[in-house]
Amino acid sequence: QQQVKQSPQSLIVQKGGISIINCAYENTAFDYFPWYQQFPGKGPALLIAIRPDVSEKKEGRFTISFNKSAKQFSLHIMDSQPGDSATYFCAAAYNTDKLIFGTGTRLQVFP
Amino acid sequence: GAVVSQHPSWVICKSGTSVKIECRSLDFQATTMFWYRQFPKQSLMLMATSNEGSKATYEQGVEKDKFLINHASLTLSTLTVTSAHPEDSSFYICSATEATSDTQYFGPGTRLTVL
Repeated sequence: QQQVKQSPQSLIVQKGGISIINCAYENTAFDYFPWYQQFPGKGPALLIAIRPDVSEKKEGRFTISFNKSAKQFSLHIMDSQPGDSATYFCAAAYNTDKLIFGTGTRLQVFP
Repeated sequence: GAVVSQHPSWVICKSGTSVKIECRSLDFQATTMFWYRQFPKQSLMLMATSNEGSKATYEQGVEKDKFLINHASLTLSTLTVTSAHPEDSSFYICSATEATSDTQYFGPGTRLTVL
């Protein structure tokens, strides 16, 4: 019940395209859903986060869509750029306590 | 934004020795710090949660006598890997939160290689 399932495991997108990564959770007590970006050999960096009281949040080219009834949330990267090539992790937490991370998606954006 | 640093960024040690990793919040007071371990091409696994001035809470399966965590101040937490073995080789990452924010800020990580 503590798992966060993430898909796909890897994603290849052409420059300018839309990258979509999906996550699903079981624990309905989760109330904080962040997305992190990680480059090789670096720590994760927070991209964007959402709480269950809204269905969508947009920051620049990054959008989180949240479906509370389906217990799913997704990250959309618009106009994907080669510099977006990284590993993306979704996560979930209760009351911003321990983060439960998804398995990660390796995104490659080709010019 | 809030900055978390780790030292060292990488360390190589011999089997049986102990290694200490420092995690510092540079521009905020961290009420809670977290320690994660990440194996190559895998996700982050939480090892323990520490609050300033109190004992760390370890996740199931993490040996507290092997991974010693000290959170002596609001800006510093340390992880000591005691009697390290090759299977302890991993990427260790800390994160920190402050009382006024719900965001976890991550450090750059420490690559530990045990020979």
